[in-house]
Amino acid sequence: EPEVTQTPSHQVTQMGQEVILRCVPISNHLYFYWYRQILGQKVEFLVSFYNNEISEKSEIFDDQFSVERPDGSNFTLKIRSTKLEDSAMYFCASRATGANEAFFGQGTRLTVV
Amino acid sequence: GDSVTQMEGPVTLSEEAFLTINCTYTATGYPSLFWYVQYPGEGLQLLLKATKADDKGSNKGFEATYRKETTSFHLEKGSVQVSDSAVYFCALTMDSNYQLIWGAGTKLIIKP
Repeated sequence: EPEVTQTPSHQVTQMGQEVILRCVPISNHLYFYWYRQILGQKVEFLVSFYNNEISEKSEIFDDQFSVERPDGSNFTLKIRSTKLEDSAMYFCASRATGANEAFFGQGTRLTVV
Repeated sequence: GDSVTQMEGPVTLSEEAFLTINCTYTATGYPSLFWYVQYPGEGLQLLLKATKADDKGSNKGFEATYRKETTSFHLEKGSVQVSDSAVYFCALTMDSNYQLIWGAGTKLIIKP
């Protein structure tokens, strides 16, 4: 069964460093998403991406964040200069055209120290 | 704004007990409603969904009915198993862009 895969599963980084979280969406999906869940809090929408551009983003998704689809298979989330409060589980999701359900990856746990 | 409220966990039940996890929502229009499940060490999996009022979503013995009059989407299962132990998330989306708004999640613990 096709699935969304995320790497790494756990990333530890020092405050101020750049991190790139990687996702491989399901191959025929065209809509991509990043969500995050800070420990003990709700899952929060970060950004959606379609046709090589951001279609919607939340207030959380400030200038420190960027997304990219560098090739035909990967979808990345970059945090330019990490802060302690960026520590969270980050989930990638993808959705097929016309579908109203998204498929999620297993998440990357980012720990900023 | 739009929001989802779930009952707080953890919910602890014995095997074969009846399960209800409450979910209510606030939305300006008519959302699509979802239940996602997260098993230990795994990602978020769609459990069931309903896209309009009175629709019933069902999967793996779980059911939830979209109740517009009470703005609710309670998750039920007649007889739970130890393998149902997980965190359950209620969520909604209002727009065609499929931006999901999530409840806080309810941890379910089933004891043998």
